[in-house]
Order: sequence, then structure tokens, then C-alpha cells
Amino acid sequence: RKEVEQDPGPFNVPEGATVAFNCTYSNSASQSFFWYRQDCRKEPKLLMSVYSSGNEDGRFTAQLNRASQYISLLIRDSKLSDSATYLCVVNKAGANNLFFGTGTRLTVIP
Amino acid sequence: NAGVTQTPKFQVLKTGQSMTLQCAQDMNHEYMSWYRQDPGMGLRLIHYSVGAGITDQGEVPNGYNVSRSTTEDFPLRLLSAAPSQTSVYFCATQTSWGMGYEQYFGPGTRLTVT
Repeated sequence: RKEVEQDPGPFNVPEGATVAFNCTYSNSASQSFFWYRQDCRKEPKLLMSVYSSGNEDGRFTAQLNRASQYISLLIRDSKLSDSATYLCVVNKAGANNLFFGTGTRLTVIP
Repeated sequence: NAGVTQTPKFQVLKTGQSMTLQCAQDMNHEYMSWYRQDPGMGLRLIHYSVGAGITDQGEVPNGYNVSRSTTEDFPLRLLSAAPSQTSVYFCATQTSWGMGYEQYFGPGTRLTVT
């Protein structure tokens, strides 16, 4: 079983739509969770960390459900510039190394 | 500040050739790492370093060597390239060795082994 699993998509949504991505992780001892964004043929960049209580950054909301071992990312009022691949990232339990999901591709359509 | 730089951007090698991918950072970060990214696989950790003189293996270290003689540089060596090493390679840094820190990635090196 993969350490981190994501629906690869693609998700094609119109501008202004709300879209949600989920990600599951296999090791209940993981403690650090992130969403990274990767544009086509570019390097990944941190979008946001995910905290136990959930957190919001503008149009983006991240949630963590430890009991079910999943992480979600909600994007409201989608913009064309949100088109990218979103990577779910979890630390290796007992270590600081990171496991990256394969990514969920989002295309926002005019 | 340049952040994290990688050279070359593109490289084509023949099977059996050797080469070094360069990674440099000017952020004075302790932690540096190398990943490879393949379609359908996600980024996988090759090697990492928690400071000058200290390196360790990640998930997929076979066929790669690293060294860390300075804080700034963390080269990745392919001793005898194989087609299975065709991939995009990213170098990343992190402020320090600990959980919860952001990783900063270089722009990547696209390597093709024929």
C-alpha cells in the first residue's frame, strides 16, 4: 500500500466553482501534513501546511481527519491561475522525511 | 538571493556514462535532499543531508552517491547511468532537520538515459 494516495484526476471545473481534493495516508503515526502545488514542468511549492484544527488561507481550506487518516483541500471561487497539480505530503512516521502523493491535477476552465 | 539552483537543466546520457547533478543553495539551510519524480510515482527521496559532512539514504538510493562538504552544495552522482534513471531530479532544502518545515525546491534537472 502506498504511503500517500490521491485521486489523480483530472478535475476540470469552471471558473468560480468550488472543488475539493482528498488524500489518504497509511501510517497513523505521521505528524506533519502539507499541500504543495506544482505547475506544469516546474518545481513543487508549498501551498499550505495542514493543522489538526484545520486551517484556511484565503480561498483555500485544509482539513485533517486523523481518525480516518485523510487530508482534504478545498478551493473556493476557483481562478484560472489555480490550474496546477496539487500534491499531498505526509512525513515519514518517526522521521522527518516526506512522502509525496502522485498529485491531483486541476484545470480551471474559463 | 538565488534560493536553490540546479545544473544542468537538461541532460542526455548513454547507458554506462557517469555524471554529477549540481545543487547549490544560498539560504544557509541545514537540510538538503534529492528527489526523483516519475509519472505515476510521486516524488521519491534518493538521499538527504542534515548538515555538512552528514548524509543518509532515502527510499531509492541505489545507483546514486552524494556528499556534503559545504552547507551550500549537495551534488548527486550517477556512477553508471541506466535507462531506469531517466527522470526529473529535484533538489530541496529545509531550514533545519525537523518536522513541519517547508521544503524549497530547485527548478529540476530533466535527465534522459538512452
